[in-house]
Amino acid sequence: DVKVTQSSRYLVKRTGEKVFLECVQDMDHENMFWYRQDPGLGLRLIYFSYDVKMKEKGDIPEGYSVSREKKERFSLILESASTNQTSMYLCASRVQGGSGNIQYFGAGTRLSVL
Amino acid sequence: AQSVAQPEDQVNVAEGNPLTVKCTYSVSGNPYLFWYVQYPNRGLQFLLKYITGDNLVKGSYGFEAEFNKSQTSFHLKKPSALVSDSALYFCAVRPRSNDYKLSFGAGTTVTVRA
Repeated sequence: DVKVTQSSRYLVKRTGEKVFLECVQDMDHENMFWYRQDPGLGLRLIYFSYDVKMKEKGDIPEGYSVSREKKERFSLILESASTNQTSMYLCASRVQGGSGNIQYFGAGTRLSVL
Repeated sequence: AQSVAQPEDQVNVAEGNPLTVKCTYSVSGNPYLFWYVQYPNRGLQFLLKYITGDNLVKGSYGFEAEFNKSQTSFHLKKPSALVSDSALYFCAVRPRSNDYKLSFGAGTTVTVRA
């Protein structure tokens, strides 16, 4: 089974802190994604990476950055956390290419910024 | 621009009754269509997808979905709902022209009462 592991289930941070959310997948997938999930808005794509050291902005990249130094690990960074970044963050991974390849999701990190 | 609409925030059914969760989409061309389910405090799990071919797609846990091109819909169905089907359901669409852009609906909360 594909396993996507997010390092923290719950995080509480203060406004202005630098926050790192970590995601690791064990299936040698080329593509990795970060979403945030908010009630009534579904999932919105923050950033994705189609391969090591490659990254692309999604729909809502403002206030976030990412790092992909190794194939299995994709980090989301909040440079200076703000209260409007309180949300559930979901990481996903997927095999590159192919018709309709599905994304596999981690359990999520619920971040509260106070 | 692509969009996905799940017109019902909540669906309530009695156990043993049919369950339908509606999804309509707006995207150019013939998209790939997906349904995911999220149980409380968990990540998203893949249920089924439509790529091409037969309009009726069968997936996990007895779910199926019907692709209707003329109505641009992809409704999720289960003939006989179980209490354990209570969860949050997401419809998602990806255009064939963009391998990375998976857009999600806002989600529908399904409650199955015993």
